Amino acid sequence: GDSVTQMEGPVTLSEEAFLTINCTYTATGYPSLFWYVQYPGEGLQLLLKATKADDKGSNKGFEATYRKETTSFHLEKGSVQVSDSAVYFCALITYSSASKIIFGSGTRLSIRP
Amino acid sequence: DAGVIQSPRHEVTEMGQEVTLRCKPISGHDYLFWYRQTMMRGLELLIYFNNNVPIDDSGMPEDRFSAKMPNASFSTLKIQPSEPRDSAVYFCASSSSDRGLPKAFFGQGTRLTVV
Repeated sequence: GDSVTQMEGPVTLSEEAFLTINCTYTATGYPSLFWYVQYPGEGLQLLLKATKADDKGSNKGFEATYRKETTSFHLEKGSVQVSDSAVYFCALITYSSASKIIFGSGTRLSIRP
Repeated sequence: DAGVIQSPRHEVTEMGQEVTLRCKPISGHDYLFWYRQTMMRGLELLIYFNNNVPIDDSGMPEDRFSAKMPNASFSTLKIQPSEPRDSAVYFCASSSSDRGLPKAFFGQGTRLTVV
């Protein structure tokens, strides 16, 4: 079945470091891909999305490129801030799975000042 | 729009009691999802509805869990009887299939503690 695999956390970085959180997927059909962010004590917020191969989603300095050949959607940011500390979820939706949203397990990111 | 609204934000109950969680999706959205989040299992999809009809409830852990969506603006998730292992944060999300790309919007969650 459809699934999302993302790197396990926690990930701890210093402020201004480069961030990569890996995400790969398995899906029948042609999925849309998403990154969600969950700040402490809050619900999930959509961070960025991509709907077709080679699309790049971007928001708040974060980027992810839809790579169909490697079935990946890695999240990157060039210079992280303390305020980026949160849990990040990779997700997909396929219309073949009746629009069910499938999430990865989440990666907790902590940024040291 | 106020977004997805869940109530209560926090619930503490004794084992064996009935618990009802409530969700008001974003107006016009035709999909509604219930998720459970725990440290051990992460984010689990419990059930989702399309146009008020349950489509997939394979994530509902046991018969103690039930969910309803009597109309397009309201859904409930009920646990009866509750057990300590049900303690988790329960999220409701809604999305729209209109305009081709579904995006899910989440509520703030209900933190359930069963003692």
